[in-house]
Amino acid sequence: SQQGEEDPQALSIQEGENATMNCSYKTSINNLQWYRQNSGRGLVHLILIRSNEREKHSGRLRVTLDTSKKSSSLLITASRAADTASYFCADFQGGGSEKLVFGKGTKLTVNP
Amino acid sequence: GAGVSQSPSNKVTEKGKDVELRCDPISGHTALYWYRQSLGQGLEFLIYFQGNSAPDKSGLPSDRFSAERTGGSVSTLTIQRTQQEDSAVYLCASSVNRVDGYTFGSGTRLTVV
Repeated sequence: SQQGEEDPQALSIQEGENATMNCSYKTSINNLQWYRQNSGRGLVHLILIRSNEREKHSGRLRVTLDTSKKSSSLLITASRAADTASYFCADFQGGGSEKLVFGKGTKLTVNP
Repeated sequence: GAGVSQSPSNKVTEKGKDVELRCDPISGHTALYWYRQSLGQGLEFLIYFQGNSAPDKSGLPSDRFSAERTGGSVSTLTIQRTQQEDSAVYLCASSVNRVDGYTFGSGTRLTVV
């Protein structure tokens, strides 16, 4: 079963704008991860945020975590055409499971 | 190699035939995972290996699917008597620990005609 669900399903913005994607969870968060996928092939790990963290940065990426709302957001600042991709959140199923469960993703299009 | 390698990158097979998909994880990564992704969909977990054993194979869709891993390295995913609904991209990933995330291969696109 899915652990997280991304919102929106699709997002189209202009180059230079910021893009915000959200991920909501049904159960408790363990180690929430964000991945990027280009052209429907391999995924690239972007950032991991632990359940006791509230915010994390990596370059133009900013991830926040709100455990009370069971949600996380990925913000891409000053977007570029090369950021066009699908973005997925994922978390471990819990109970010590090593199964990483992915949401359906947000398809981001950055127009030049 | 530096990354996770999957072969073949593309496979077209006739309905009813068996196929074998291969994954070479990053050296030293004891954990290996197989996922399936249908067109425009999220990732569907299939199976997880820790070393050569599979503590979690709960995602395998049917008994036509099987996977093995030998020497704590290469893994093969076998689909017997393929059906059209098996058409998807099959992704392999490996990791050394949870904190560093998974490293994915480029996947095998399987088309059953």
